[in-house]
Amino acid sequence: EIVLTQSPATLSLSPGERATLSCRASQSVSNFLAWYQQKPGQAPRLLIYDASNRATGIPARFSGSGSGTDFTLTISSLEPEDFAVYYCQQRSNWLYSFGQGTKLEMK
Amino acid sequence: EVQLVESGGGLVQPGGSLRLSCAASGFTFSSYSMNWVRQAPGKGLEWVSYISSSNSIIYYADSMKGRFTISRDNAKNSLFLQLNSLRAEDTAVYYCARDIGEVAFDYWGQGTLVTVSS
Repeated sequence: EIVLTQSPATLSLSPGERATLSCRASQSVSNFLAWYQQKPGQAPRLLIYDASNRATGIPARFSGSGSGTDFTLTISSLEPEDFAVYYCQQRSNWLYSFGQGTKLEMK
Repeated sequence: EVQLVESGGGLVQPGGSLRLSCAASGFTFSSYSMNWVRQAPGKGLEWVSYISSSNSIIYYADSMKGRFTISRDNAKNSLFLQLNSLRAEDTAVYYCARDIGEVAFDYWGQGTLVTVSS
């Protein structure tokens, strides 16, 4: 089973700042890595798939990078609506798993 | 507009059973693989199960194998999850989610809450 480890657990930043979230896999997942945003009381929303492709309707300030075991979600300039919990997800051998999440909070 | 609407959650005693449903609309349901994902109160996301568009391929997370059964009815645009031998740790919001090419989930329902308690 592939384990995804996200860091940091909590990230405190201000609007306008750049956010960098990390996701590390216990073994290579190639580029089968997605990122989701979840706000309280809401279902998750797909941001990035295949490590670097933005989902439909996702603003350009969100970008993903990486391959193999190390991945990054970058938000270039934080908007107030970006403060939420972010999860990475992988697929390997037809089994999916999620990271434990990074909470992005307003400083 | 793509819509996924879950139902069937509720309060059940330990050892009991529930059948969750997910009604899909706004897309060709029979063309997409589907998944169930759950989230315990205050916790992260946990993938539960996958079913291919034609019902021919099914996978479960190890902790759910043998107790949960995923199925679908393409004629009725519906996805199901049968939960048996429920335990307190199965308490969670259960989401159905559409799979895009076995890499990510692009649409999610709002979830249905399952509470396992005596």
